[in-house]
Amino acid sequence: SQQGEEDPQALSIQEGENATMNCSYKTSINNLQWYRQNSGRGLVHLILIRSNEREKHSGRLRVTLDTSKKSSSLLITASRAADTASYFCATVQNSGGSNYKLTFGKGTLLTVNP
Amino acid sequence: DGGITQSPKYLFRKEGQNVTLSCEQNLNHDAMYWYRQDPGQGLRLIYYSQIVNDFQKGDIAEGYSVSREKKESFPLTVTSAQKNPTAFYLCASRSGAGYGYTFGSGTRLTVV
Repeated sequence: SQQGEEDPQALSIQEGENATMNCSYKTSINNLQWYRQNSGRGLVHLILIRSNEREKHSGRLRVTLDTSKKSSSLLITASRAADTASYFCATVQNSGGSNYKLTFGKGTLLTVNP
Repeated sequence: DGGITQSPKYLFRKEGQNVTLSCEQNLNHDAMYWYRQDPGQGLRLIYYSQIVNDFQKGDIAEGYSVSREKKESFPLTVTSAQKNPTAFYLCASRSGAGYGYTFGSGTRLTVV
């Protein structure tokens, strides 16, 4: 079953603008991660935010987490054409003992126009 | 360079055939995962393994089987019982619960 749901499903912006993607999830989490996927390729890990953290930065990326609302957002500032990709949020839950599993949403397709 | 290698990149399967997708990592990661991705969809978990000789079913395990005889290797077999196997298959590994996952470049399986 899908845990995370990204919003919007697709986003088209101009180079230099900021892009914001949102993610909502249903159950308690250990941490939440954002990944990027270029068409037909594997996923690349971007950033991880733990359940006791509220905000995290990495370069042009800013992630927030609101556990009371079960939601997260990914902000990409000063976007570039090379940022064009699908972005997925994924939540990590403990599935018993030392077992952890990562559950993905359906992703946001970001298009940055030159 | 450390990473995950999936092979082959493209695989064609005839109706009724079993096929095995390879996933090898040299990252010394304990946990490994198999995901399936359909067009325009997110990733769905097929099987995962936290340690050698142990694995658990994910959300869509029916029609698939795995083994974990070595830490480095986690092959996935798509059996003839899987009625709709055409998809993009991704293997991943991680070193601990508080770390991001490393993904392979995927295998695209097509039934012909």
